[in-house]
Amino acid sequence: NIVMTQSPKSMSISVGDRVTMNCKASQNVGNNIAWYQQKPGQSPKLLIYYASNRYTGVPDRFTGGGYGTDFTLTINSVQAEDAAFYYCQRIYNSPPTFGAGTKLELK
Amino acid sequence: EVQLVESGGGLVQPGRSMKLSCAASGFTFSNYGMAWVRQAPTKGLEWVATISYDGSSTYYRDSVKGRFTISRDNAKSTLYLQMNSLRSEDTATYYCTRVPYNNHFFDYWGQGVMVTVSS
Repeated sequence: NIVMTQSPKSMSISVGDRVTMNCKASQNVGNNIAWYQQKPGQSPKLLIYYASNRYTGVPDRFTGGGYGTDFTLTINSVQAEDAAFYYCQRIYNSPPTFGAGTKLELK
Repeated sequence: EVQLVESGGGLVQPGRSMKLSCAASGFTFSNYGMAWVRQAPTKGLEWVATISYDGSSTYYRDSVKGRFTISRDNAKSTLYLQMNSLRSEDTATYYCTRVPYNNHFFDYWGQGVMVTVSS
């Protein structure tokens, strides 16, 4: 099975900063990556699908990129409400593997 | 508005069974694949099982194959997860999720239901 590795495990950012987090697949997955945001005590929410497509209603400060094995999620001008865990997921029927997540904290 | 409401969780002893339900509303249930994703306490997300829009195809993670069964009743707009031979490592919050047009990502999530396997 393909392994999804996210880095860093956590990061502490100031409001207004730009942040980039990474997701690396152990094999080529093309553009078959989704990103989710999970705030404390809440269910995950879909942000990005097929690597770079922003889901309905997602603010345009969230941008996904990458292809093959290396993917990024960038948040421009981070807001206080962006403090959350972020997970990448390989889009595949079985198994649709998740990464371990990146925790974004605000200073 | 899309709503997914899980029920049926709680405390169960190891080796016993439990059945989760997910009542869907706000969309045409029979047009979408559905899936269960779980999250152990303080851990990350883990896919459990997926079912196609018509129930003809199902997929399971290796650790639950032969123990869990995903099913659906399109007439009732309800998704199920029958869990047998439960183990302590199955302890988690179980989320019902919608799979848009067999794309194998998850665009809507329920609020989750907690399953605790303990003696």
